Amino acid sequence: GAGVSQSPRYKVAKRGQDVALRCDPISGHVSLFWYQQALGQGPEFLTYFQNEAQLDKSGLPSDRFFAERPEGSVSTLKIQRTQQEDSAVYLCASSLAAYSYEQYFGPGTRLTVT
Amino acid sequence: AQTVTQSQPEMSVQEAETVTLSCTYDTSESDYYLFWYKQPPSRQMILVIRQEAYKQQNATENRFSVNFQKAAKSFSLKISDSQLGDAAMYFCAYKSDRDDKIIFGKGTRLHILP
Repeated sequence: GAGVSQSPRYKVAKRGQDVALRCDPISGHVSLFWYQQALGQGPEFLTYFQNEAQLDKSGLPSDRFFAERPEGSVSTLKIQRTQQEDSAVYLCASSLAAYSYEQYFGPGTRLTVT
Repeated sequence: AQTVTQSQPEMSVQEAETVTLSCTYDTSESDYYLFWYKQPPSRQMILVIRQEAYKQQNATENRFSVNFQKAAKSFSLKISDSQLGDAAMYFCAYKSDRDDKIIFGKGTRLHILP
């Protein structure tokens, strides 16, 4: 059984460019999470989906960040007009059910904005 | 708001010895989960051990055990018979029973000395 996969693993963007990061959760998992992990820090919550519904986006740092999960499976995190402070590892996690205690993490996408 | 604090940025232990990583947290809730995650250089976040707040008995998973002190809001991880493969960043984390997102500490980098 495949785990959570993310692509690309590495992304370099020039400041001002738009980027799109993809997450493929474990098949059948209802909940999907995005976290941002700055260098030397712990992951910080960005947003959460239950199926296709985005139930919590309180962690998105600005309106340049947008996430979607249109069919309740694959999710895309989009960052518009990237800034240097957006450089981080973006982790995706999924869980089988709502309020499940266990989240399964992907390997992350390391975004570097130059 | 809930917070998780790890006061040891780095620790070292001799192979085959025992090491304890510290964690404190703050919450006003009574039902929650606590976790220790391991993040090797591959960035894949791996769940090491989980503790439900309503359980008085400390969780144990093979060489890993916790000391959960609910009144003191302390949750330390003990690794026995340390192995080279244990070298990684370790994150203490909290999840409310009424919420889906996980709150992470800043991490402790564990070095294993051969």
